[in-house]
Amino acid sequence: GNSVTQMEGPVTLSEEAFLTINCTYTATGYPSLFWYVQYPGEGLQLLLKATKADDKGSNKGFEATYRKETTSFHLEKGSVQVSDSAVYFCALSDRGGGSEKLVFGKGTKLTVNP
Amino acid sequence: SQTIHQWPATLVQPVGSPLSLECTVEGTSNPNLYWYRQAAGRGLQLLFYSVGIGQISSEVPQNLSASRPQDRQFILSSKKLLLSDSGFYLCAWSAPGTGRWNEQFFGPGTRLTVL
Repeated sequence: GNSVTQMEGPVTLSEEAFLTINCTYTATGYPSLFWYVQYPGEGLQLLLKATKADDKGSNKGFEATYRKETTSFHLEKGSVQVSDSAVYFCALSDRGGGSEKLVFGKGTKLTVNP
Repeated sequence: SQTIHQWPATLVQPVGSPLSLECTVEGTSNPNLYWYRQAAGRGLQLLFYSVGIGQISSEVPQNLSASRPQDRQFILSSKKLLLSDSGFYLCAWSAPGTGRWNEQFFGPGTRLTVL
């Protein structure tokens, strides 16, 4: 079945450091790929997405490129801020039963220190 | 604009008691609706999804059930809670047939603790 594997956390960085969170996937067909962010005590928010190979999703300084050849969708940001501290989830879409279901990775907790 | 509500925000229940969590969506029609559970260190697990009133698909066999009595209302229930039902429950919706058909929008969640 479809699955998502993302790097184990937690990740702790200093402000203005470079961030990479690795995500690889296994899927049949051509799924869409997503990064969601969850701030403490809140629900998930869509951060960015890519719907086909070589697409780059970007938002709030974060970027991720859909790499079909390596089945990856790594999240990057050039300079993190304290406000980026959150849990980040990689996900893929899995269409079935007339509904677009999401398969999530386990999440990576990021803490950014001033 | 669309909004999604969940209540209660937090809940502490004894083992064996019943459960009812409610989710409502405003500002859209005919959404697909989803219930997820987030257990510590285990990511998000899809529990149920619904493509219309009275249509429920179950992803994981368990002592939970879901119902959709109205187009924009989704309810998660249990007759007898187990300790393992503790977790953070998230409701989500998506808009099929639109340009954002593959995006899901999440509610604020309900923190359930079973003692």
